[in-house]
Amino acid sequence: EDQVTQSPEALRLQEGESSSLNCSYTVSGLRGLFWYRQDPGKGPEFLFTLYSAGEEKEKERLKATLTKKESFLHITAPKPEDSATYLCAARGGGFKTIFGAGTRLFVKA
Amino acid sequence: KAGVTQTPRYLIKTRGQQVTLSCSPISGHRSVSWYQQTPGQGLQFLFEYFSETQRNKGNFPGRFSGRQFSNSRSEMNVSTLELGDSALYLCASSLAKTSGSADTQYFGPGTRLTVL
Repeated sequence: EDQVTQSPEALRLQEGESSSLNCSYTVSGLRGLFWYRQDPGKGPEFLFTLYSAGEEKEKERLKATLTKKESFLHITAPKPEDSATYLCAARGGGFKTIFGAGTRLFVKA
Repeated sequence: KAGVTQTPRYLIKTRGQQVTLSCSPISGHRSVSWYQQTPGQGLQFLFEYFSETQRNKGNFPGRFSGRQFSNSRSEMNVSTLELGDSALYLCASSLAKTSGSADTQYFGPGTRLTVL
């Protein structure tokens, strides 16, 4: 069965303290791996799409990487405004996108 | 370009009633997906439409239904509401140049449904 698991569930960082979020996936025929950011009470905001192992994408303080089994979201020198829930999702060949439970990130000034 | 819009943004219903939620995708997007989000279950897939056809359906009871119109706008309906249906219902659209493409989904702000 297709599955997406994110770790840790919650992460508390000091401002400037870099870290990584993990997304492990088991999806038949991966067609895309997606990262979103979600603020409380709002819809998920798109961050990155990765299509094949070895691919990397960057945006400001965020960098997403992909292997055949997992994806990482690296956060460099985070700021308090980076506090949010980060969602990972994988899409296989069955016209269905599976989301992980998310990692809640708290960045303290 | 306008994003995905959902109406209404907030809704309060009582048990046993039915509700219809609406979603307008980004202009040019042909695929629309619906998700239910609750604190305990996270984002759960409801269904996906492409060119007015339902391509896949999640593990929800038949009380949950949807449709897509020729202009790609979509509606979902929940009949005989239960307390457990209280959630944030999210709509997402994607370009979907072909029926099998894995384009990025862009989400709307959601409809907050409260069932009393």
